[in-house]
Amino acid sequence: DADVTQTPRNRITKTGKRIMLECSQTKGHDRMYWYRQDPGLGLRLIYYSFDVKDINKGEISDGYSVSRQAQAKFSLSLESAIPNQTALYFCATSDRNTLSYNEQFFGPGTRLTVL
Amino acid sequence: AQTVTQSQPEMSVQEAETVTLSCTYDTSESNYYLFWYKQPPSRQMILVIRQEAYKQQNATENRFSVNFQKAAKSFSLKISDSQLGDTAMYFCAFMKRGGSEKLVFGKGTKLTVNP
Repeated sequence: DADVTQTPRNRITKTGKRIMLECSQTKGHDRMYWYRQDPGLGLRLIYYSFDVKDINKGEISDGYSVSRQAQAKFSLSLESAIPNQTALYFCATSDRNTLSYNEQFFGPGTRLTVL
Repeated sequence: AQTVTQSQPEMSVQEAETVTLSCTYDTSESNYYLFWYKQPPSRQMILVIRQEAYKQQNATENRFSVNFQKAAKSFSLKISDSQLGDTAMYFCAFMKRGGSEKLVFGKGTKLTVNP
């Protein structure tokens, strides 16, 4: 089984709808991240969390919110989806307690389309 | 703020040949990491190679090696004996050491390996 999972893998929604993307990990890592990938722009950081009580905004947090329900779960919400939020969304994890704490492990991504 | 520039949006190479992907970055930090990630058509993000800025020796991982020029802020990836499975998007990324361990990505280079 994959260490970092994302649900759903693909989602089509309409403008104005609320949508939640979920990320779960079995790696036991303390740090979790949400990135957004757009064609020609690479990946950009939306939010990151060092533990359940520590959540921080990234480069492009406007229009998004997150929830760290447990160490293993980190959800990204779009309160009112708009078409320019159509993108590929990645969750990633890392563990500051290991020698390779700088390595981030990515989930398989969620393709979101907002019509 | 750090920036990462990949000046080659697309490249192609013949199978078994060598190709070099370019990456430059801008930072005022002295302690950081640099990464190359591969994203095949499956869209999974896969770490290819990692370089620690305080290490002068260039990192190597089998057919993948880097040319790290700290003073020039350059971090190129060389792929030797290219294989069809190397066809993918390649992203260069920067991470400041200490603090949030956020990744800053370049826009990517699409590499096609031709038979």
